[in-house]
Amino acid sequence: SQTIHQWPATLVQPVGSPLSLECTVEGTSNPNLYWYRQAAGRGLQLLFYSVGIGQISSEVPQNLSASRPQDRQFILSSKKLLLSDSGFYLCAWSITDYEQYFGPGTRLTVT
Amino acid sequence: QKEVEQDPGPLSVPEGAIVSLNCTYSNSAFQYFMWYRQYSRKGPELLMYTYSSGNKEDGRFTAQVDKSSKYISLFIRDSQPSDSATYLCGVGNYGQNFVFGPGTRLSVLP
Repeated sequence: SQTIHQWPATLVQPVGSPLSLECTVEGTSNPNLYWYRQAAGRGLQLLFYSVGIGQISSEVPQNLSASRPQDRQFILSSKKLLLSDSGFYLCAWSITDYEQYFGPGTRLTVT
Repeated sequence: QKEVEQDPGPLSVPEGAIVSLNCTYSNSAFQYFMWYRQYSRKGPELLMYTYSSGNKEDGRFTAQVDKSSKYISLFIRDSQPSDSATYLCGVGNYGQNFVFGPGTRLSVLP
């Protein structure tokens, strides 16, 4: 069966510090991978998606970036965090147009 | 107009009640419809998906899609306190990314 991992689960970082969140998927090959941010009461905001290694599409211009160095690994990064980057970050994977599976999430607080 | 809209709630019901959760969407091109349950501080969990108008049942859960009205519903029968969570609807189409509603917070009171 497929499993998706995210780490860390919780992170507190000062403004201006770098960020690296990691997501890995097990049990499937060549999945589509996604990064979302969820703010309270505002639903899921798609940040990046990837259909293959090295292929990244950005949905929202911001100071975040994403990379996919391996088929089942997706990384979200920032060189300098802003207060507005606080939120709940979710990684997800899919191999069909009608199912998407989410990871446990990372709660990021920028202070 | 937002692509997908949901009443944010909170919706409070007594244990054993039938719960109705609803979403409307604006783009008639959407063909796939999903419901997720999200417990506090956890990732969303896929409950059901469907890609046709009509009903789809899975245990105590029934998903209903009315494409002519661009309206989707999730019914929960015999609701339990463990059903207390936020419910997100999602819509999609072939080759396109999913779009999610903001979620409805449900509380089932014992």
